[in-house]
Amino acid sequence: AQKITQTQPGMFVQEKEAVTLDCTYDTSDPSYGLFWYKQPSSGEMIFLIYQGSYDQQNATEGRYSLNFQKARKSANLVISASQLGDSAMYFCAMREGWTGNQFYFGTGTSLTVIP
Amino acid sequence: GAVVSQHPSWVICKSGTSVKIECRSLDFQATTMFWYRQFPKQSLMLMATSNEGSKATYEQGVEKDKFLINHASLTLSTLTVTSAHPEDSSFYICSAPALPYQETQYFGPGTRLLVL
Repeated sequence: AQKITQTQPGMFVQEKEAVTLDCTYDTSDPSYGLFWYKQPSSGEMIFLIYQGSYDQQNATEGRYSLNFQKARKSANLVISASQLGDSAMYFCAMREGWTGNQFYFGTGTSLTVIP
Repeated sequence: GAVVSQHPSWVICKSGTSVKIECRSLDFQATTMFWYRQFPKQSLMLMATSNEGSKATYEQGVEKDKFLINHASLTLSTLTVTSAHPEDSSFYICSAPALPYQETQYFGPGTRLLVL
């Protein structure tokens, strides 16, 4: 089974609107971390936001927030007030166990912000 | 913040030659580094885990003799693609966990390899 599933290959959003990128995960490990990365056309992986499995509150980082629903095993990324520079590939990732372990990546969602 | 560098950023080589890619952690030590490969419009696929002072751990289906990994110091891991072929053309990215008890990993900027 896939560890990380991103069901939206491509998304479009109007500039200044909010957009939600979906991510579901599968693990039996009670300790895990969930991450979102942005990959622009240059290829670099830019860390956006992190959610730990024991965190009680949803993570927020500026315009990024993570809608963490543990029972549903989902970790959707919400980008508010979209900007043209947000156009990129977005990857959801999971680390099982504690720090230092490998990441499992989803297939990514290509986001295009329309002016 | 922590930075991971990769060198070279671009490499074009002839089929049959070997290519070495370096991954350095610039302001922190990394006993473990990860090497990923990413084909166009696809996700990152873990190739191997590089362990300082010991042998790398390869994922299933990755040829150990073709993708040689050396982690000689706490700040440097190298990936050597031996006898490269056109099908090895890809984007190679390394990552390193941040300091102990920090959750995130830091990714290098990637190396684009084109084998002619």
